[in-house]
Amino acid sequence: EPEVTQTPSHQVTQMGQEVILRCVPISNHLYFYWYRQILGQKVEFLVSFYNNEISEKSEIFDDQFSVERPDGSNFTLKIRSTKLEDSAMYFCASSTELAGYNEQFFGPGTRLTVL
Amino acid sequence: AQRVTQPEKLLSVFKGAPVELKCNYSYSGSPELFWYVQYSRQRLQLLLRHISRESIKGFTADLNKGETSFHLKKPFAQEEDSAMYYCALKFGNTGKLIFGQGTTLQVKP
Repeated sequence: EPEVTQTPSHQVTQMGQEVILRCVPISNHLYFYWYRQILGQKVEFLVSFYNNEISEKSEIFDDQFSVERPDGSNFTLKIRSTKLEDSAMYFCASSTELAGYNEQFFGPGTRLTVL
Repeated sequence: AQRVTQPEKLLSVFKGAPVELKCNYSYSGSPELFWYVQYSRQRLQLLLRHISRESIKGFTADLNKGETSFHLKKPFAQEEDSAMYYCALKFGNTGKLIFGQGTTLQVKP
């Protein structure tokens, strides 16, 4: 069964460094999402992406964050200059449709640790 | 504002006991609600959605609009049900999910 994949599983970086988190959504899916979960807190929506552009972003998703789908298969989240508070689990998700009760399929997550 | 609340961080029951994981939501429109589950070292996966009115792995959830609740129930818990359970509300034009804080279900032998 097709799955969403994410790499790396764990990324350690120094504060101020740029990181790129990678996701490969399920191949026939059209809608893509990033969520994050700070340790001990709830899963929070960051951004949604459709038709090669951001369709919605949360207030967490400031100018330090960007997303792109560079080659039709990968979907990346870039954090330009990481802060300590960016340490979290980042989940990618994808779905075929928006309408109705369509399921979002989640990746296994990337644990980002900012030192 | 849209919100999902799961009041219990941890629910611990013995095998064979009934389970109810609580979820309340705040949303002015017609809600689209889901339960996601995360087993140890596995990814978030859909357990059930309210529109289906189905039973998955013995779990059911009924939407109560009057009480704005979507509690997850199972009559007889099994050890393999031990996991983190998240209630989620699908909201807005982009299909984003708003999650509750999650409840850890621990089923003891």
